[in-house]
Amino acid sequence: GAVVSQHPSRVICKSGTSVKIECRSLDFQATTMFWYRQFPKQSLMLMATSNEGSKATYEQGVEKDKFLINHASLTLSTLTVTSAHPEDSSFYICSADSSRAQHFGDGTRLSIL
Amino acid sequence: GQQVMQIPQYQHVQEGEDFTTYCNSSTTLSNIQWYKQRPGGHPVFLIQLVKSGEVKKQKRLTFQFGEAKKNSSLHITATQTTDVGTYFCAGPQGGSEKLVFGKGTKLTVNP
Repeated sequence: GAVVSQHPSRVICKSGTSVKIECRSLDFQATTMFWYRQFPKQSLMLMATSNEGSKATYEQGVEKDKFLINHASLTLSTLTVTSAHPEDSSFYICSADSSRAQHFGDGTRLSIL
Repeated sequence: GQQVMQIPQYQHVQEGEDFTTYCNSSTTLSNIQWYKQRPGGHPVFLIQLVKSGEVKKQKRLTFQFGEAKKNSSLHITATQTTDVGTYFCAGPQGGSEKLVFGKGTKLTVNP
């Protein structure tokens, strides 16, 4: 149980493109999901908390207009990287809380050329 | 703010040797969680410790939570090549569901 699906797994696109990443909880409902960013050989950096039916809560230093989060249902949260630039290239991972543990999606490796 | 420190950052062992990673929090934790991330993969939940002084075992893995609930350790006995990956500890931020992750310990095992 507690499976989180993230799509797409990899994106390569040109600078200026907006990219949408989906995170779905497949066998449980998640009122809260989390979006992380992970740089190579580094730890997970929490970007924002996605709340179903309300605005996301962003961590300090994370631009909310750059990283748009929508949590329209109990099983789906989306992260849109708007007008992506090479410095936005990274590994983005979502997670959802179930049974007192966070369950992570497979991650999305974003490469902006 | 709350910090979770983890050492060592890297550990290279010969297969069959033991391995330990240590985690220290700047604040008392309600619980501590451990995750494993294989190369190229995503973090996978291993265990949660809640009680002061708690010790839990999963086959060759032994997890401990300190008496003061500010530190924890993960010990692997007789490492195998399947143990390679980065091990993260994480603690809740305040009373929220948000987790603060340590920087992780990357384990490599020489066959």
